[in-house]
Amino acid sequence: DAGVTQSPTHLIKTRGQHVTLRCSPISGHKSVSWYQQVLGQGPQFIFQYYEKEERGRGNFPDRFSARQFPNYSSELNVNALLLGDSALYLCASSLRTREPQHFGDGTRLSIL
Amino acid sequence: QKEVEQDPGPLSVPEGAIVSLNCTYSNSAFQYFMWYRQYSRKGPELLMYTYSSGNKEDGRFTAQVDKSSKYISLFIRDSQPSDSATYLCAMSEGTNAGKSTFGDGTTLTVKP
Repeated sequence: DAGVTQSPTHLIKTRGQHVTLRCSPISGHKSVSWYQQVLGQGPQFIFQYYEKEERGRGNFPDRFSARQFPNYSSELNVNALLLGDSALYLCASSLRTREPQHFGDGTRLSIL
Repeated sequence: QKEVEQDPGPLSVPEGAIVSLNCTYSNSAFQYFMWYRQYSRKGPELLMYTYSSGNKEDGRFTAQVDKSSKYISLFIRDSQPSDSATYLCAMSEGTNAGKSTFGDGTTLTVKP
């Protein structure tokens, strides 16, 4: 079975631009979460969606938004990019919210 | 102060050694405890998870949770060079693993 897949793998943007990151969860998984991992640090929670509804939001500005589609795939959108948004963005999925999550390999976003 | 503190390492051990990795936490609401392994340029890989205090064993890995001391550990027996990676502890409130708080990771090198 395919694991969590994320696209694109790498992305380079400039300050002020907008970016959309995509995630396909493991087949049948209904819970999807997004994390930001800055170099040398652990992942930091951004959003969780379950059955297309937002179940949690971390301490990130309103420039960050996300949604989950009927097929449980998800998008993370970031507006007005800042240099500090440079990081590895990870998507994780689980069958239900009480199950531990499985991560994709992330999208590496670089802001110039 | 961070909710989850993890020994930063780096940790270097000879092949076959027993490795001990540790995290402390301050949030008494944390009930769900996980350990992930992350290789360079990859997403975190789930190793073990538990809800309860005490020990849980899986092959060469043993997870230990002491809720009274707010302290968790991961032991790796008969360590192998392939165990060389960054190890992340993660925990969440209640039973929702999709909103996890991570430590910053311990980098382990196992020398042949």
